[in-house]
Amino acid sequence: GAVVSQHPSRVICKSGTSVKIECRSLDFQATTMFWYRQFPKKSLMLMATSNEGSKATYEQGVEKDKFLINHASLTLSTLTVTSAHPEDSSFYICSARDSGDRAETQYFGPGTRLLVL
Amino acid sequence: AQKITQTQPGMFVQEKEAVTLDCTYDTSDPSYGLFWYKQPSSGEMIFLIYQGSYDQQNATEGRYSLNFQKARKSANLVISASQLGDSAMYFCAMRGVTGTASKLTFGTGTRLQVTL
Repeated sequence: GAVVSQHPSRVICKSGTSVKIECRSLDFQATTMFWYRQFPKKSLMLMATSNEGSKATYEQGVEKDKFLINHASLTLSTLTVTSAHPEDSSFYICSARDSGDRAETQYFGPGTRLLVL
Repeated sequence: AQKITQTQPGMFVQEKEAVTLDCTYDTSDPSYGLFWYKQPSSGEMIFLIYQGSYDQQNATEGRYSLNFQKARKSANLVISASQLGDSAMYFCAMRGVTGTASKLTFGTGTRLQVTL
């Protein structure tokens, strides 16, 4: 149980285009999902908290108009990187929190490697 | 504010031996949770083990055990009988009070290399 999928696993795009990344909880409901960014050999940096049916909460320094988050259902959250530029190239990873888990464990997707040319 | 400190950037262990990965934390929350995740080179973050601050016993999950010393604010991960597949980055993380606002704070990670 507690499987989270993420799609696509890898994407290469041209500068100026937008990229959508999907995060799905496959076998549990997740009222809350999280989006992280990870630079090489670094720890995870939380970008935003995505709550089903409401607006996402962004961390300080993260542009909400740049990184659009939608959490339309209890099993799906999407992150859209708008007008991507080379500096947006990174590893993006989502997590989902099982609503019924008292520990509030976050289960992570496999991540998406984004390369903007 | 919460802080997680992992002082070992890299560790080596021989196959079949046990290894301890250190983690200390700081928080003012009365209740919190501590997690360990494994990140192989593929990038996925794999949940290993959880310890609640009020749990009476140290958590164990198969070959993983958590040496929780609340007074010292430490939550070290012990991996017994190391296997080559244990080679990965290991992150310690902490969650504050439960609720929709709770987030994970991660340490900088420890890279474990299991050798023959």
